[in-house]
Amino acid sequence: GAVVSQHPSRVICKSGTSVKIECRSLDFQATTMFWYRQFPKQSLMLMATSNEGSKATYEQGVEKDKFLINHASLTLSTLTVTSAHPEDSSFYICSALMWVEGNTIYFGEGSWLTVV
Amino acid sequence: AQTVTQSQPEMSVQEAETVTLSCTYDTSENNYYLFWYKQPPSRQMILVIRQEAYKQQNATENRFSVNFQKAAKSFSLKISDSQLGDTAMYFCAFMSGETDKLIFGTGTRLQVFP
Repeated sequence: GAVVSQHPSRVICKSGTSVKIECRSLDFQATTMFWYRQFPKQSLMLMATSNEGSKATYEQGVEKDKFLINHASLTLSTLTVTSAHPEDSSFYICSALMWVEGNTIYFGEGSWLTVV
Repeated sequence: AQTVTQSQPEMSVQEAETVTLSCTYDTSENNYYLFWYKQPPSRQMILVIRQEAYKQQNATENRFSVNFQKAAKSFSLKISDSQLGDTAMYFCAFMSGETDKLIFGTGTRLQVFP
């Protein structure tokens, strides 16, 4: 399958600081990427849709000023958690849309964020 | 709005046996995709199988196959010859053909016993 790389895999930051997570499609161009959040023992919750060259579309209840998404190129989307608080600690995972005889979505490895 | 329901929080199966995981969904769209993803303890989401709604033939991938019943909005996953490495969370997911958004069910934790 297609490769989507996410970095960093684990990050610890202090309350009040910002942290950036990168999502790259390594062997295909992805005009659309998605960001999810997963709480322990729960399913994936879609946060936003990232579109190359345009503003991200956020799901209801997701603060766009807190979770900044930038999709500056066809292979890179970034999620920046601004003014992080301990309750932002979670597993964040990105995915990229690929067309192969129909749409398929491939996921990155995910990033563990711990805010202390 | 679309919803995906997985009614089995946990399932177990003995190695080499067959197990079926259930999934139902609700949508008013006619063009969509359905997926099963596997999430092992590493948390990596691994695509298991994909089904296009316009295809009547059930998708198969080696030991994995689906029973897609469009009228009933049902999309079950059958794992044949279960292996210890199949132990994981399995998520059923719906992708809208209009928005490309992927919506997940709550997952089924599958344990394969030796």
